[in-house]
Amino acid sequence: SQQGEEDPQALSIQEGENATMNCSYKTSINNLQWYRQNSGRGLVHLILIRSNEREKHSGRLRVTLDTSKKSSSLLITASRAADTASYFCATDARSGGSYIPTFGRGTSLIVHP
Amino acid sequence: GAGVSQSPSNKVTEKGKDVELRCDPISGHTALYWYRQSLGQGLEFLIYFQGNSAPDKSGLPSDRFSAERTGGSVSTLTIQRTQQEDSAVYLCASSLATGDEQYFGPGTRLTVT
Repeated sequence: SQQGEEDPQALSIQEGENATMNCSYKTSINNLQWYRQNSGRGLVHLILIRSNEREKHSGRLRVTLDTSKKSSSLLITASRAADTASYFCATDARSGGSYIPTFGRGTSLIVHP
Repeated sequence: GAGVSQSPSNKVTEKGKDVELRCDPISGHTALYWYRQSLGQGLEFLIYFQGNSAPDKSGLPSDRFSAERTGGSVSTLTIQRTQQEDSAVYLCASSLATGDEQYFGPGTRLTVT
């Protein structure tokens, strides 16, 4: 089963609106990261939040982390058509001492101009 | 500096043939990761190298898959006796250290006919 699960699977909004995506995970983590992917190719790192942080900002992005609920959210404010992409959360799950970087299935965001 | 590069960008092969996919990580990055992504799906972790330590092979889907990393730099993912279900985009990423932000290459799209 997936360590990280994004919700919703798909999101369609108008330009200028805010977009919120959520990520839930199962095991304890050291950090959680959000990535963006265009056109099914390489991912681009957006933001990393550590387990002792609750909120982090980067430009129009705001990420929150609630370790008690094992969940994170990514908020994109004042969305633009160029924000259309898939967004993934990734956790640094540990399994038996091994490090397993685990990505969710992603949220597909469409921003209509 | 240069980012992560992968070659080839596209590979079409016949079922049963062997293929080699190459990844050149960012210089100085000690961690290197291979993932597989099928159409519309999330990233499936395959294998991870950290420095000169033995790789974590726990994600490899079968013994037809193997990977090596020479000199702590370039990595090759080999798929023997390819099957149609191996068709996917294979993504490579590197990071300064375990758990850090990952930098992704553009991927190799493998099609097995």
